[in-house]
Amino acid sequence: GESVGLHLPTLSVQEGDNSIINCAYSNSASDYFIWYKQESGKGPQFIIDIRSNMDKRQGQRVTVLLNKTVKHLSLQIAATQPGDSAVYFCAENNAGNMLTFGGGTRLMVKP
Amino acid sequence: GAGVSQSPSNKVTEKGKDVELRCDPISGHTALYWYRQSLGQGLEFLIYFQGNSAPDKSGLPSDRFSAERTGGSVSTLTIQRTQQEDSAVYLCASSPDRVNGYTFGSGTRLTVV
Repeated sequence: GESVGLHLPTLSVQEGDNSIINCAYSNSASDYFIWYKQESGKGPQFIIDIRSNMDKRQGQRVTVLLNKTVKHLSLQIAATQPGDSAVYFCAENNAGNMLTFGGGTRLMVKP
Repeated sequence: GAGVSQSPSNKVTEKGKDVELRCDPISGHTALYWYRQSLGQGLEFLIYFQGNSAPDKSGLPSDRFSAERTGGSVSTLTIQRTQQEDSAVYLCASSPDRVNGYTFGSGTRLTVV
């Protein structure tokens, strides 16, 4: 079936470096994508979203890139901080009623 | 309220018992979702409520699982005759629209012993 997956289950970066978290999706009909951050003991928190008519969207220290040709989504975090340590999920919507989530990537920031 | 509220935050129950998990969505949000997150896993869709429409129950794993949403607001997820494989974090989310502005609660961690 259609699914959303991630390339790297764990990513370890040095504080101050940039982080890139990747996600592959297989449903070409998906038109809306979201990145969520989940800290221990908390629910997922919205970070940034992007629609399929865009290939890049920037927020505060975060950028989401969408490559529809290869069905790839990435989240870039600039100047990674210890507070960025969490599990990051990508999610897709294909005009249905719910989001389909990937398996998550754990980001560990070393001081 | 200011956010999505779930209770209890933790629940330990004996195998075979029934449990009820509660979700208080953000006021005015018409859409409400339940997801399950097993340890180290992604989010598994369970059920979706939209306004007064019939809920989408396509994600419920068995007939032991059911959910209600009363008055278009508070929702209760009930698991009957709990099994050890039901142990997980149960997350509720609400949104003002179909999928835009999804806001999650902190979840209920269910442990079946």
